[in-house]
Amino acid sequence: DTEVTQTPKHLVMGMTNKKSLKCEQHMGHRAMYWYKQKAKKPPELMFVYSYEKLSINESVPSRFSPECPNSSLLNLHLHALQPEDSALYLCASSQEAGRIIEQFFGPGTRLTVL
Amino acid sequence: GENVEQHPSTLSVQEGDSAVIKCTYSDSASNYFPWYKQELGKGPQLIIDIRSNVGEKKDQRIAVTLNKTAKHFSLHITETQPEDSAVYFCAASEGGKLIFGQGTELSVKP
Repeated sequence: DTEVTQTPKHLVMGMTNKKSLKCEQHMGHRAMYWYKQKAKKPPELMFVYSYEKLSINESVPSRFSPECPNSSLLNLHLHALQPEDSALYLCASSQEAGRIIEQFFGPGTRLTVL
Repeated sequence: GENVEQHPSTLSVQEGDSAVIKCTYSDSASNYFPWYKQELGKGPQLIIDIRSNVGEKKDQRIAVTLNKTAKHFSLHITETQPEDSAVYFCAASEGGKLIFGQGTELSVKP
């Protein structure tokens, strides 16, 4: 099973709202990733968690707050977002971070910020 | 840091023809090169990958070739079908991260 699941599929929020995106994998992977993807562009890496610890933050604004409660779950907490943050947010996982290893992506959450 | 360039940005072929997408990379230390297919409204799907100790890899109608000296790698799809229509991304590894090309929108006309 190479499945990464993400909820919700779609999210509309105002600039003053607080919301969370969720990601789950049951492949026993120890590395999990958040990416942001704008239309017709490649995914841009935001965060990497390795063994439940944040290992890479690609200078993402603090209005995005990641959390890894356990090895299977990854959350992205959103607060005071801007309309330009509207995008497809993708979660991915791999067996380990920092190695030459396959990354598997989830279907994404389509976020619209009004 | 690593830079990946991908060409062409759009590609239209007739069903049954072959399609080739090419990528170049800048960092000779990169040693893992995956290809992803992304259909409309879905996440990227890993379709094939190659490591730097291998020159070619095939999986049914899909093949990837790697030229380490020239620092380029290519995706070859034979006998294309309408369901191959999607955006394809190449990537190269760097320090545990994947650096993506800009994508190729492939359209297969019946």
